[in-house]
Amino acid sequence: QKEVEQDPGPLSVPEGAIVSLNCTYSNSAFQYFMWYRQYSRKGPELLMYTYSSGNKEDGRFTAQVDKSSKYISLFIRDSQPSDSATYLCAGGRGSNYKLTFGKGTLLTVNP
Amino acid sequence: DGGITQSPKYLFRKEGQNVTLSCEQNLNHDAMYWYRQDPGQGLRLIYYSQIVNDFQKGDIAEGYSVSREKKESFPLTVTSAQKNPTAFYLCASTRQGSTGANVLTFGAGSRLTVL
Repeated sequence: QKEVEQDPGPLSVPEGAIVSLNCTYSNSAFQYFMWYRQYSRKGPELLMYTYSSGNKEDGRFTAQVDKSSKYISLFIRDSQPSDSATYLCAGGRGSNYKLTFGKGTLLTVNP
Repeated sequence: DGGITQSPKYLFRKEGQNVTLSCEQNLNHDAMYWYRQDPGQGLRLIYYSQIVNDFQKGDIAEGYSVSREKKESFPLTVTSAQKNPTAFYLCASTRQGSTGANVLTFGAGSRLTVL
């Protein structure tokens, strides 16, 4: 079992929809979780990260972590065509350990 | 503006040739990383370096080599021993987040195609 599992999609939604992107993980040692967004032929950019269980909100984006079920989610409200990208989840522990990435989910928001 | 510069953006190589991908950062980050990205495979770690003159193999180091002579630079050489080098290569560096998270900053990537 991979340490971080992510449904690769692709996921296609109409503009304005609420998008839910999900990952599961198996490593109980993960202390924090990150979401990166990657546009086509570009490098990933950090969207947000969270340390604890619960929700963290940043504008239209909400990251949710449930450590009891080892489940992490990213919600996008009022999705826009500019949100079309690949979204990568990652788990990590400490500042000197490697991040473990999921395979990414390709999202397309149709105008 | 601070960031990571990767060059070249596109590179074509004939089989049997070594090629070197450049990665330079002006973020004053200590650690640097090389990842390979293939469709459907996600990011796979090739090499990483936490300090100058020291580096460690990642999950798929065979056929690759690196050096870290300066804090700002972490070049990756794709050798002829790498069996399937066509891929998108990403360089990254890290700062320690305010709560100790290993936050990666990525370059724009280099796409290598073997002819």
